[in-house]
Amino acid sequence: DAKTTQPPSMDCAEGRAANLPCNHSTISGNEYVYWYRQIHSQGPQYIIHGLKNNETNEMASLIITEDRKSSTLILPHATLRDTAVYYCIVRSGANNLFFGTGTRLTVIP
Amino acid sequence: EADIYQTPRYLVIGTGKKITLECSQTMGHDKMYWYQQDPGMELHLIHYSYGVNSTEKGDLSSESTVSRIRTEHFPLTLESARPSHTSQYLCASRGGREGGTWETQYFGPGTRLLVL
Repeated sequence: DAKTTQPPSMDCAEGRAANLPCNHSTISGNEYVYWYRQIHSQGPQYIIHGLKNNETNEMASLIITEDRKSSTLILPHATLRDTAVYYCIVRSGANNLFFGTGTRLTVIP
Repeated sequence: EADIYQTPRYLVIGTGKKITLECSQTMGHDKMYWYQQDPGMELHLIHYSYGVNSTEKGDLSSESTVSRIRTEHFPLTLESARPSHTSQYLCASRGGREGGTWETQYFGPGTRLLVL
């Protein structure tokens, strides 16, 4: 599976958009980009995933660059409850998820 | 909302005891996983199963063992607990086809284990 690089931490003001970047320059054509988050040592929670096209659901938007070497998770209106560690993962169907160190997002009142 | 359960949620136990951490899911998922996570640290895959009677070791070596006799049940056992086993243990399951929304991995709430 491709390796990902994320900033270790970020802050975001409450109500503003949180943009979390992820670099996956070695991604291969059949690998999906997944985002999970983990709130205060609870079990990780699935957020969104995509292959090539941008994706949006009720939680977030995922923007994948045209060359697929990087992506950005967007939380449009961050709340205090969005404070968590966010994991960007790339994998193909046959492989298991590998959780790196993620980005610790702190939403500030 | 994912239907995956872990018991107990918290366990404090003495060295040398045998323990079993329970994990059950009602989604009919074939694939199930056990992760270990120390506070503030990464998740590490220690065991996984792709179906009944299938078990494999994960990326992190663990003295624990698992079994998969029923689709919905994936217990983890430590024959003789030691303080080095103190950690949080997270169970997860996954089912469905690649890329589909039901292919995502769902996690249980975790078991926090403290071995004295």
